[in-house]
Amino acid sequence: LAKTTQPISMDSYEGQEVNITCSHNNIATNDYITWYQQFPSQGPRFIIQGYKTKVTNEVASLFIPADRKSSTLSLPRVSLSDTAVYYCLKRTYSSASKIIFGSGTRLSIRP
Amino acid sequence: EAQVTQNPRYLITVTGKKLTVTCSQNMNHEYMSWYRQDPGLGLRQIYYSMNVEVTDKGDVPEGYKVSRKEKRNFPLILESPSPNQTSLYFCASSTTTGSNEKLFFGSGTQLSVL
Repeated sequence: LAKTTQPISMDSYEGQEVNITCSHNNIATNDYITWYQQFPSQGPRFIIQGYKTKVTNEVASLFIPADRKSSTLSLPRVSLSDTAVYYCLKRTYSSASKIIFGSGTRLSIRP
Repeated sequence: EAQVTQNPRYLITVTGKKLTVTCSQNMNHEYMSWYRQDPGLGLRQIYYSMNVEVTDKGDVPEGYKVSRKEKRNFPLILESPSPNQTSLYFCASSTTTGSNEKLFFGSGTQLSVL
């Protein structure tokens, strides 16, 4: 199972929109993309999941282009509390099995 | 409240003394798994279970055992802990129904092996 690839770290400021891109060149037809957020010493928390095009919830948006080889997590108007590590995972429908987390993106939000 | 409960939250032990970290979920999830998290190495899967009596190795299974006798429980067993197993451990569960599948994580167990 290949990992996804994300930037190691990103910085932004309160009130800005933050976009974190994930690369998954070997994505298969049955794979979908899920993003998690992790604060220090806490378990990761589900943010959003998608298969293609755009998905939006109360927390974030997820953009997946037609070739599905990458995806972008968009956090609108970030605040200091969005400082965390964000993980992009590639999972397979109806085949929950071995899970490989990438290194994640450490997002730092400044005042 | 839907949750994954791990115990204990903190554990200090000595080399070779068998220990068990418990994990329980109240969401009737089929899938459960264990991870360890180390600085610079991220989250690595130790073992996973697709359902009762079905377990399989993750990326770093050496030195660990698991069992899944009941659907809600998935304990992690260290038969003879060593200092290199000092780490932050997380248990997680999820359904296996594809599009609605998301992992729910416990609060973590910080283990120190002296």
